[in-house]
Amino acid sequence: AQKITQTQPGMFVQEKEAVTLDCTYDTSDPSYGLFWYKQPSSGEMIFLIYQGSYDQQNATEGRYSLNFQKARKSANLVISASQLGDSAMYFCAMREGLDSSYKLIFGSGTRLLVRP
Amino acid sequence: SQTIHQWPATLVQPVGSPLSLECTVEGTSNPNLYWYRQAAGRGLQLLFYSIGIDQISSEVPQNLSASRPQDRQFILSSKKLLLSDSGFYLCAWSPGQGVGDGYTFGSGTRLTVV
Repeated sequence: AQKITQTQPGMFVQEKEAVTLDCTYDTSDPSYGLFWYKQPSSGEMIFLIYQGSYDQQNATEGRYSLNFQKARKSANLVISASQLGDSAMYFCAMREGLDSSYKLIFGSGTRLLVRP
Repeated sequence: SQTIHQWPATLVQPVGSPLSLECTVEGTSNPNLYWYRQAAGRGLQLLFYSIGIDQISSEVPQNLSASRPQDRQFILSSKKLLLSDSGFYLCAWSPGQGVGDGYTFGSGTRLTVV
């Protein structure tokens, strides 16, 4: 089974509007971490936001927030006030606490295009 | 501060030729190291990871191999490249101490096998 599922291959959003990128995950490990990365056309991977499984509050970092719904196993990224520079690929990823390698498992990504 | 270097940035290699991609980390010791491959427009596939010198684990069967000759050096190799080896290769490191540890990625190598 897929550990991380991103069901939106591509999304459009109008500049200055908010957009939600979906991510669902599958794990039986009680301790895990969820990450979002941005990959512009240059290929670099830029860390955006992190949510721990025991965190009570939803994570926020500037214009990025993570809508964490533990019971539904979803960790959607919300980008507020979209900017043209937000056009990129976005990846959701998970790390499980019982995995001693601490490797990140990535979803297939969502390509976001911000329209002027 | 910690930095990660990956080279070369781009590479065009003929089918059947060997490959060596290198990744080094500075400013930390005993990092966890990872090699990922990304096909065009796709997600990241974990190829290898290492939690210590001479401790290499492979995630998927392929004609690639990895080595860690020094604590902060991770090398991805192939004896004979296939067309299907084309892609964007990313090296990453992590402190390996908890689920919240960030990953730091290298700048990537874009490999085209012709």
